[in-house]
Amino acid sequence: GQQLNQSPQSMFIQEGEDVSMNCTSSSIFNTWLWYKQDPGEGPVLLIALYKAGELTSNGRLTAQFGITRKDSFLNISASIPSDVGIYFCAGLSGANNLFFGTGTRLTVIP
Amino acid sequence: EAGVAQSPRYKIIEKRQSVAFWCNPISGHATLYWYQQILGQGPKLLIQFQNNGVVDDSQLPKDRFSAERLKGVDSTLKIQPAKLEDSAVYLCASSPSRVGEKLFFGSGTQLSVL
Repeated sequence: GQQLNQSPQSMFIQEGEDVSMNCTSSSIFNTWLWYKQDPGEGPVLLIALYKAGELTSNGRLTAQFGITRKDSFLNISASIPSDVGIYFCAGLSGANNLFFGTGTRLTVIP
Repeated sequence: EAGVAQSPRYKIIEKRQSVAFWCNPISGHATLYWYQQILGQGPKLLIQFQNNGVVDDSQLPKDRFSAERLKGVDSTLKIQPAKLEDSAVYLCASSPSRVGEKLFFGSGTQLSVL
């Protein structure tokens, strides 16, 4: 299957700080997605990106679809304790094939 | 709107035993997925159904895993016989469209094979 690498693997930040994470692939994707997974739950969709270069926001979250179509970035501004969780990027190849990244574990220290 | 329901929540079995997981998708969602999530990794697709037909099962280990979706609604995933490396969370997801982007996930079944 496709390999999507996320960095960093984990982050510890103070409440109120901004966060940046990214996702890279050796393959091109038509759609990039960002999901968040809380402990003991399934992933929840945060943002979907459909065009190379696209920048999309959802509240304090901003994500970008890389121009090469092989990467994507997620930024969280002014972090709060409930931002804690694992963030997964996912790339959609064709109509059906959704591949998930390795995840970035975020810890927010109050 | 009710979410994707999965049961059981947890299951512990010994290797070589059989196990089955159940999923009830969001009402009206034609597309249903089963994912395997090994600890520390992202979810990996096992099988995708469109109504009661299989769209993609290329990553399903068919010698031991099977899945069905009767009447295009509920689905079951079975492992027989289980191996130690099958220990994982099994996530069910559904989508209102055939395009696999806006997936709604259940809470998963955590399987431990001893």
